[in-house]
Amino acid sequence: ETGVTQSPTHLIKTRGQQVTLRCSSQSGHNTVSWYQQALGQGPQFIFQYYREEENGRGNFPPRFSGLQFPNYSSELNVNALELDDSALYLCASSLGPGRQETQYFGPGTRLLVL
Amino acid sequence: QQQVKQSPQSLIVQKGGIPIINCAYENTAFDYFPWYQQFPGKGPALLIAIRPDVSEKKEGRFTISFNKSAKQFSLHIMDSQPGDSATYFCAASMTSNTGKLIFGQGTTLQVKP
Repeated sequence: ETGVTQSPTHLIKTRGQQVTLRCSSQSGHNTVSWYQQALGQGPQFIFQYYREEENGRGNFPPRFSGLQFPNYSSELNVNALELDDSALYLCASSLGPGRQETQYFGPGTRLLVL
Repeated sequence: QQQVKQSPQSLIVQKGGIPIINCAYENTAFDYFPWYQQFPGKGPALLIAIRPDVSEKKEGRFTISFNKSAKQFSLHIMDSQPGDSATYFCAASMTSNTGKLIFGQGTTLQVKP
């Protein structure tokens, strides 16, 4: 059974550009949540996808968007990148959307915006 | 009301010591309190979790103490080892929030040999 994988591991972009980050969920998991972790901070919830639909969103602007595919893998897209978007982006998969389901995190994608 | 406050920010103990990390919350709708461990370059991994109807939970060397009236919970690591050196996050979520985790700011633990 493979765990949660994310790609790429590192990424450098310039302000104003767009970026797409990818996540493959753990086998059997139909729910993916995305988090942003700034340096020295705890992860902050961006949004969750359940069966290809957005199922909850944190306090992030619309330029943060996502997709979930039929195989439950997911993408996070960020448009018009700002310097403050520099962070570790984590995805977590779970068996379902409820709070009782353990979220298993991937290693993250480190994004640097210059 | 959505915040979870964690302390201390960093902690250094000797091998065999019992580091204690504390968290406090305001929102009484939170009903699930997990602790995550994160090593450099890795994503957080679930250590142990508790629900508010239980005052204490032990799994191996890790214990959560929960005080519902004070809205506080803490992680104790018994017989700490250098391999426990990592960043620890408390978190909280509520049934109505689709499992969204609200994380504390994190505590960096160093266990000296």
